[in-house]
Amino acid sequence: KAGVTQTPRYLIKTRGQQVTLSCSPISGHRSVSWYQQTPGQGLQFLFEYFSETQRNKGNFPGRFSGRQFSNSRSEMNVSTLELGDSALYLCASSLGRRTSGSYEQYFGPGTRLTVT
Amino acid sequence: GQQLNQSPQSMFIQEGEDVSMNCTSSSIFNTWLWYKQEPGEGPVLLIALYKAGELTSNGRLTAQFGITRKDSFLNISASIPSDVGIYFCAGQSGYALNFGKGTSLLVTP
Repeated sequence: KAGVTQTPRYLIKTRGQQVTLSCSPISGHRSVSWYQQTPGQGLQFLFEYFSETQRNKGNFPGRFSGRQFSNSRSEMNVSTLELGDSALYLCASSLGRRTSGSYEQYFGPGTRLTVT
Repeated sequence: GQQLNQSPQSMFIQEGEDVSMNCTSSSIFNTWLWYKQEPGEGPVLLIALYKAGELTSNGRLTAQFGITRKDSFLNISASIPSDVGIYFCAGQSGYALNFGKGTSLLVTP
C-alpha cells in the first residue's frame, strides 16, 4: 500500500506571498491532519479533516487554512507568509473513525517551506 | 493543545545498551503513540497503546501506557546504530495528537 505523499518536498517563498501544499493520504484513509514542525516549538497541530469537513483546529492564525476533497486528498494554504512560517509541514492520515486503531496517524515526508 | 513533557531531551549511548525514555502530561489521554523521526523524513509510527496499563512490544521496542493515563514509557533493548533518530511520544485528544518535544538518540558502534 502506498504511503502518504506530499508535494512539493521543498519550497522557497518570499514574505507576503501565499503557498499551497498538497497531501495524498493512504488509500482508504479518510482523515487528514496537518502539523507544523519547527526546532523551537516542535510538532504542532494545525487542523484535521474528515470527509471534507474540518473537525478540529489548532491555535494558528486564520492565515492558515485547509480543505479536503472528495477523494480525501487535502491541501493546506498559508497566505501572507511571514518569516516565522518557515518550517516542515507534515501531513498525516488515519482511518479517522472511533474504533481501536483508527487514531493511528501515518505521516508523509513533509514539505520544507523556507520564507525569505 | 496540551503540553507533553518528554525526557530525556537527548541520549548518547553505546551499541548494545538499553534505552528508556518517558512522557508525562497533566491531562489524561485515551491513546498514546510513539514515533521515530530520521533526518529529512516524517515521523514513523512505532507503537500504539490504547488501554491504561497496556504493555506492547514491537521487536526490541517495548512501550507502556501508564496506569494514570497521564504517562507512557518507551524502552529500546540492545540498541544498534540504526536506532539513531528522534523519538516522539504523542497523546491523542479528540482528533488531534499532542506531541512531546522529542528524545534525540545517538548510538555509537
